[in-house]
Amino acid sequence: AQSVTQPDIHITVSEGASLELRCNYSYGATPYLFWYVQSPGQGLQLLLKYFSGDTLVQGIKGFEAEFKRSQSSFNLRKPSVHWSDAAEYFCAVGARTGFQKLVFGTGTRLLVSP
Amino acid sequence: DTAVSQTPKYLVTQMGNDKSIKCEQNLGHDTMYWYKQDSKKFLKIMFSYNNKELIINETVPNRFSPKSPDKAHLNLHINSLELGDSAVYFCASSQEASGYEQYFGPGTRLTVT
Repeated sequence: AQSVTQPDIHITVSEGASLELRCNYSYGATPYLFWYVQSPGQGLQLLLKYFSGDTLVQGIKGFEAEFKRSQSSFNLRKPSVHWSDAAEYFCAVGARTGFQKLVFGTGTRLLVSP
Repeated sequence: DTAVSQTPKYLVTQMGNDKSIKCEQNLGHDTMYWYKQDSKKFLKIMFSYNNKELIINETVPNRFSPKSPDKAHLNLHINSLELGDSAVYFCASSQEASGYEQYFGPGTRLTVT
């Protein structure tokens, strides 16, 4: 069974600074990988996904993530954070075989300071 | 044009009551899901339906009964509500049962008193 670890519970970044949120997964092969964002009181919005091909994937709102097989990681990055990026970020994995259920990490809360 | 919608958005009820949450998607997807997000924001899948057939049923008390009248709808009925059922319940959908991203609804915050 797959699992996901997001080691940072909270991260505070100054507005305009760069951001990297960590995600490590455990799975017997290359899984499907996702990043979702949840603003307070809102549902989850898909930021980006990795299925195959180029290991650097671009998403919405200026986010990107890089799949590194050797490190079992799928870290989320943004070169310049905006105050509106403050939210909870979830990494998720899905198995490539069988019916797909997403297994989520515990989330990282991003705080943006002025 | 909301892609995945849920009703109600908030639900406050007493222990022992029975309640339902409804979900509808207008994306033409074949697969729908229910997830539970607890007070620590941990998200866990509960059920999944593909073309109205149950395909994923995680370890969920049988007080929870999903029902899919058609591909566009997946409802969740909860009997004999308990305090521990308080959570945010998210509906999601995907084009097929594997290999596609899932789109989430806005969530239903259930509070059991």
